[in-house]
Amino acid sequence: EVQLVESGGGLVQPGGSLRLSCATSGFTFSSYAMSWVRQAPGKGLEWVSAISGSGGSTYYADSVKGRFTISRDNSKNTLYMQMNSLRAEDTAVYYCAKFETAATLGAFDIWGQGTMVTVSS
Amino acid sequence: EIVLTQSPGTLSLSPGDRATLSCRASQSVGSSYLAWYQQKPGQAPRLLIYGASSRATGIPDRVSGSGSGTDFTLTISRLETEDFAVYYCQQYGTSGLTFGGGTKVEIK
Repeated sequence: EVQLVESGGGLVQPGGSLRLSCATSGFTFSSYAMSWVRQAPGKGLEWVSAISGSGGSTYYADSVKGRFTISRDNSKNTLYMQMNSLRAEDTAVYYCAKFETAATLGAFDIWGQGTMVTVSS
Repeated sequence: EIVLTQSPGTLSLSPGDRATLSCRASQSVGSSYLAWYQQKPGQAPRLLIYGASSRATGIPDRVSGSGSGTDFTLTISRLETEDFAVYYCQQYGTSGLTFGGGTKVEIK
């Protein structure tokens, strides 16, 4: 069974940092691009970042560019998101999602359960 | 960036009714790179349709997608209680990834 399990969320002050992890299983992790998608409380979905299967290519939404860094460890089948200079508007549930193909543009066929990030003083 | 506009915002229907949801793009979505997701409260989204009209694994054939260019439609032919949820469209053309604002399908 394919599984994505996020961790690392929590309460952080504005300007602070947090590192999210997404542990995966049930598929050949290195063969697929991966992504982070977030959802602010009561709001819709927002794509945040994506990374190719090899980790050599990364992409970011303008809202997080320069503050967030996506990475992966294919030996550990794990995806990461380093979030710096956090703002109140970054408060959201962060989902790890797998692309349906190897490309970094596509639909997301598998999602994790999400981890909540709250930025507040 | 391609902006996706979903309508209506809320659809009030009864079990057994037909649901028709619209997703309109601000510019053409290349090669029908359009997906639909269902999300229930407290749960992650679930992929229903990709490539505008291909059903994802395990999705029943009463759920269908159609459209091309800038106008796309998700149709649920006969609503079952499990179908009452929020639905999002997503485009993944060459201009990046964006989601629509969602349509809530509620029980009338």
